[in-house]
Amino acid sequence: DQQVKQNSPSLSVQEGRISILNCDYTNSMFDYFLWYKKYPAEGPTFLISISSIKDKNEDGRFTVFLNKSAKHLSLHIVPSQPGDSAVYFCAASDTGGFKTIFGAGTRLFVKA
Amino acid sequence: GAGVSQSPSNKVTEKGKDVELRCDPISGHTALYWYRQSLGQGLEFLIYFQGNSAPDKSGLPSDRFSAERTGGSVSTLTIQRTQQEDSAVYLCASSFASGGYEQYFGPGTRLTVT
Repeated sequence: DQQVKQNSPSLSVQEGRISILNCDYTNSMFDYFLWYKKYPAEGPTFLISISSIKDKNEDGRFTVFLNKSAKHLSLHIVPSQPGDSAVYFCAASDTGGFKTIFGAGTRLFVKA
Repeated sequence: GAGVSQSPSNKVTEKGKDVELRCDPISGHTALYWYRQSLGQGLEFLIYFQGNSAPDKSGLPSDRFSAERTGGSVSTLTIQRTQQEDSAVYLCASSFASGGYEQYFGPGTRLTVT
């Protein structure tokens, strides 16, 4: 039972363009959503998050959008840079935020 | 300050042997998590500890898996009678208790069962 789904295993984008990574969830009890970035042979690092009371959160080149009615969130990276090439995990948690469910990840390639 | 550390970084073991994986969380973090990432898969939740509360073990795949957290700090994940399907990267993370949504991950332990 995949409660958090990232249906695109990989995405390739040209440097300077926008990268859009998508995530869907099924559990309506989730109220906090996070994106993590992972380089090979390293642990994931936190990137950006959004609470269910918001529909947008922005941090520099990174923006997360949340559509609660569609149970869908997306991460926008603008402009994309080669250093953004990594695996991006979408994650969700319910009230309390301790048990977090991760998606399978999307591998982003940013071509110079 | 120091981040989350895990040891060993790599472990190769024979099928049927027991293994212990260690995690040192960030000082002051009261929540500690274990995840597993099999080849080509996402992060699979295994267990978390929060302060002195009973751990949430709902993600442990079988009774061969167990974990302890001593003194509210260091944690050990033990896998008994290892099987080849246990081969994966085991990741540990920690976070603050309050508003502790952001987790800080260690580099992981790559376990290979031959």
